[in-house]
Amino acid sequence: DAGVTQSPTHLIKTRGQHVTLRCSPISGHKSVSWYQQVLGQGPQFIFQYYEKEERGRGNFPDRFSARQFPNYSSELNVNALLLGDSALYLCASSVNRGGDTQYFGPGTRLTVL
Amino acid sequence: KQEVTQIPAALSVPEGENLVLNCSFTDSAIYNLQWFRQDPGKGLTSLLLIQSSQREQTSGRLNASLDKSSGRSTLYIAASQPGDSATYLCAVLNQAGTALIFGKGTTLSVSS
Repeated sequence: DAGVTQSPTHLIKTRGQHVTLRCSPISGHKSVSWYQQVLGQGPQFIFQYYEKEERGRGNFPDRFSARQFPNYSSELNVNALLLGDSALYLCASSVNRGGDTQYFGPGTRLTVL
Repeated sequence: KQEVTQIPAALSVPEGENLVLNCSFTDSAIYNLQWFRQDPGKGLTSLLLIQSSQREQTSGRLNASLDKSSGRSTLYIAASQPGDSATYLCAVLNQAGTALIFGKGTTLSVSS
């Protein structure tokens, strides 16, 4: 079975631009979560979506938004990019929300110049 | 606010040693605790998940324990190998079941 996939692998943007990151969960998984990991730190929670509804939001500004589609894939959008948004963006999926094991994708490396 | 701390930040051992990685958390109201492995520049690989009602989980050479009342978990790696070299991350799932809160990780280097 294919694991969690993310696209693109790498991305370079300039300050003020907008970016869209994509995630496809493992087949049969209904929950998708997004995390931001800056160098040397653990991942920080951004959003959780379950059955196409937002179920949790971390401490990130409104420039960050996301959605989940009927096929359970998800997009993370970031507007008005700042240098500090440079990070590895990780997507995780699980069968249901709550106590199931979360499986992570390889991440998208975003560099903001 | 839940905080997760991992000690040590880095660890170097010769091949074959048994070792223990430590994780502590400030709020015992957790849903579960998960240990992950991360290779440089890569995503996370789930190693073990311990539900809040459990005390330990084992997978191969790995054993993880959970003491919720004291806010501690340990990851025991037996007979370490160079392929075990990676960063190990501990994460607790909040009671709402929505967010994993991670520590900064322990970077392990196993020399042959």
